[in-house]
Amino acid sequence: DAGVIQSPRHEVTEMGQEVTLRCKPISGHNSLFWYRQTMMRGLELLIYFNNNVPIDDSGMPEDRFSAKMPNASFSTLKIQPSEPRDSAVYFCASSLMSEGEQFFGPGTRLTVL
Amino acid sequence: SQKIEQNSEALNIQEGKTATLTCNYTNYSPAYLQWYRQDPGRGPVFLLLIRENEKEKRKERLKVTFDTTLKQSLFHITASQPADSATYLCALGSGGGADGLTFGKGTHLIIQP
Repeated sequence: DAGVIQSPRHEVTEMGQEVTLRCKPISGHNSLFWYRQTMMRGLELLIYFNNNVPIDDSGMPEDRFSAKMPNASFSTLKIQPSEPRDSAVYFCASSLMSEGEQFFGPGTRLTVL
Repeated sequence: SQKIEQNSEALNIQEGKTATLTCNYTNYSPAYLQWYRQDPGRGPVFLLLIRENEKEKRKERLKVTFDTTLKQSLFHITASQPADSATYLCALGSGGGADGLTFGKGTHLIIQP
């Protein structure tokens, strides 16, 4: 199994541009999570899906952030417009069962200039 | 507001000794607690899960305790090795179905040969 796949691994963009982060969960997993990690705030949950349905998006910082999961094997996190304070490492994770261990992807390091 | 505290300073332990990491929380009633290991430039990797009705869990050289009265979990690595050097994150889950985790900021553990 290839594990959770994220793309791109690194993204450098200018303030105001749209950024789309992609995630492919482990096949068969029914829960998908998006997290953001910074030195100041640590690892924070942004949103999670259960069976492709968004369950809790209370962690999404602003309306500039949106996430979709059109099918069981793909999810996107979009930031539009991006701002320098969005610079962070964004992780996608998936899990097989409720309250089970989460498998994290390698992350996308986003830099907004 | 919910708060999770882990030793913010790096923990230096001599090889062969037992390393003990602490996770304290307030304003939270977790159904379970998980511990993850994170290496630089990588996503967190699951280590152990312990539920609120469990006092202790073991896996090879790892041991976790969970005291819901003290609102504290202790994570032990016995016979520590330099390869155990990493950042260790504790994470709390509310239960009730697949849910996102609330993470502490982690403790950086250094095992010195």
